[in-house]
Amino acid sequence: DAKTTQPTSMDCAEGRAANLPCNHSTISGNEYVYWYRQIHSQGPQYIIHGLKNNETNEMASLIITEDRKSSTLILPHATLRDTAVYYCIVRGSGGSNYKLTFGKGTLLTVNP
Amino acid sequence: DVKVTQSSRYLVKRTGEKVFLECVQDMDHENMFWYRQDPGLGLRLIYFSYDVKMKEKGDIPEGYSVSREKKERFSLILESASTNQTSMYLCASSLQTQRGAKTQYFGPGTRLLVL
Repeated sequence: DAKTTQPTSMDCAEGRAANLPCNHSTISGNEYVYWYRQIHSQGPQYIIHGLKNNETNEMASLIITEDRKSSTLILPHATLRDTAVYYCIVRGSGGSNYKLTFGKGTLLTVNP
Repeated sequence: DVKVTQSSRYLVKRTGEKVFLECVQDMDHENMFWYRQDPGLGLRLIYFSYDVKMKEKGDIPEGYSVSREKKERFSLILESASTNQTSMYLCASSLQTQRGAKTQYFGPGTRLLVL
């Protein structure tokens, strides 16, 4: 699976959009970009994933650049409960894709 | 909504005890996984199962065994608990299609302390 690079930490004001970047310059054509988050002492929570098109769901939007070498997770109106570590993962769709490899992620702190 | 539940949030055991961690999912997923998560080491796969009674070793299976007698339930067994098995244990499940394994959904985790 391709390696990802994320900032160690970010801050965001409550009610503002949080934009979390991820670089995955070695991504290959059949690899998806997944985002999970983990609130302290809880299990990881799936947020969203995409292949090449932008995606949106009730939690977030995922913007993937045209060359697919980077992506941005957008939380449109961050709340205090969105404070968590956010993980960007690149993962294939077949073969040995069964395990997830989490990097260090980005600690997002939403401030009142 | 996918629901993955784990039998305990916190567990304290003594060295040498046999420990059972249970995981149940309600979405009829074929695949189930056990990971452990430790500071600085990230998520590491212990075992996974792709069908009832089927299992495969992950990256760190030593000291663990698993059981999957029913599709919805996947158990992790620590045969003789040791202090280096103190960790956060995470269960996950995913659908399996012809195009590969799909999104993994995690349970809340079990924080195990072995004294």
